[in-house]
Amino acid sequence: DAGVIQSPRHEVTEMGQEVTLRCKPISGHDYLFWYRQTMMRGLELLIYFNNNVPIDDSGMPEDRFSAKMPNASFSTLKIQPSEPRDSAVYFCASSRDRGGTYEQYFGPGTRLTVT
Amino acid sequence: AQKITQTQPGMFVQEKEAVTLDCTYDTSDPSYGLFWYKQPSSGEMIFLIYQGSYDQQNATEGRYSLNFQKARKSANLVISASQLGDSAMYFCAMREGNTGFQKLVFGTGTRLLVSP
Repeated sequence: DAGVIQSPRHEVTEMGQEVTLRCKPISGHDYLFWYRQTMMRGLELLIYFNNNVPIDDSGMPEDRFSAKMPNASFSTLKIQPSEPRDSAVYFCASSRDRGGTYEQYFGPGTRLTVT
Repeated sequence: AQKITQTQPGMFVQEKEAVTLDCTYDTSDPSYGLFWYKQPSSGEMIFLIYQGSYDQQNATEGRYSLNFQKARKSANLVISASQLGDSAMYFCAMREGNTGFQKLVFGTGTRLLVSP
């Protein structure tokens, strides 16, 4: 089975531009997560969805960030306008019930650089 | 207070030896899950092993085992017979509450270097 797919793998943009990151979860998984990883803050959960519905967005830094999941096989994370401090690796992950474990499977990440 | 604490920023081990990576956690919830992930230099996060708070036995997955000491709130990862490919960052993570709550909190990680 294909793993979690993220695109693009690398994104370089200028401050003020809109950035859209995309994710396709593993088929059959009903949870989808967006994480951000930086040297300073480590790995942080931004938002997660269950059955396409946002459940916890308390980690979303500010109104410049938004996430959507229009269907079970696609999600986007949008930053508008982008700022240099948004530079990070953004991971998408998905999970489903496996006897109560719900381990999360991560995509390869999108490395975002905002100049 | 930190929910997950990994006190070893870096660890060194020789090939074929065993190594223990420490993880302590803080929660007042009786129901929780503990996870270990590996992040090689290529960047992806790889799930290794899971321990539920009500599990009676320590979890094992191949060369990975979890030394779960509930009273001490520790969930150390033991890697037996280390291989060069085990060189990576290792993250401990916790999910609190029942399975309806899926938020994972990660520790700061331990960098493991396996030498020939």
